[in-house]
Amino acid sequence: HITLKESGPALVKPTQTLTLTCTFSGFSLRASGVGVGWIRQPPGKALEWLALIYWDDDKRYSPSLQSRLTITKDTSKNQVVLTLTNMDPADTATYYCAHDRLGLGEYFDFWGQGTLVTVSS
Amino acid sequence: SVLTQPPSVSAAPGQKVTVSCSGSSSDIGSNYVSWYQQLPGTAPKLLIYDNNKRPSGIPDRFSGSKSGTSATLGITGLQTGDEADYYCGTRDSLSADYVFGTGTKVTVL
Repeated sequence: HITLKESGPALVKPTQTLTLTCTFSGFSLRASGVGVGWIRQPPGKALEWLALIYWDDDKRYSPSLQSRLTITKDTSKNQVVLTLTNMDPADTATYYCAHDRLGLGEYFDFWGQGTLVTVSS
Repeated sequence: SVLTQPPSVSAAPGQKVTVSCSGSSSDIGSNYVSWYQQLPGTAPKLLIYDNNKRPSGIPDRFSGSKSGTSATLGITGLQTGDEADYYCGTRDSLSADYVFGTGTKVTVL
């Protein structure tokens, strides 16, 4: 039974750094073909993929946000951490983490409930 | 890269709707497609993976197909509980990034 849960601040000020933690259970990030991704959704808007980290520590970032994003994993704690620097009101969104599976294709088969982050002074 | 979907589609209960997802040779044209359902106020849920496979628990009213650089989600026997936003997704072979579609709102009339 795979579960994921996001945690982090609900409110951050412009220019601050956002740190979000995804704590998961029911799978290991040591297993081949497994990853954890971060996806966000501004209010009323579409999903936007942010970053992925794989079992072999390969990392991928959205080209538009690459300079501001860092993704890391702690396999002993079953956690994945995402940091986004220089926050702006345009970064206000619900942030989701999701279990990523690499098979024939790649897809997110289990999602966390999401955490709303508001950027405001 | 961007996957383009129609903003909205609608049909009466019991009818069929299709949602299109248009991409390019480097994303849909080279990779398998997945589909996600997002009911109001909830997290997205995987509906279809590897173009046309359904996870356990997803009814066979939902189907997926792919041809060239486009993919299609079909919903038959439309129910009021199917009212949601639907997103396609795939990998981009050039960048190895993941991309989502622009999203389609399905309305049951």
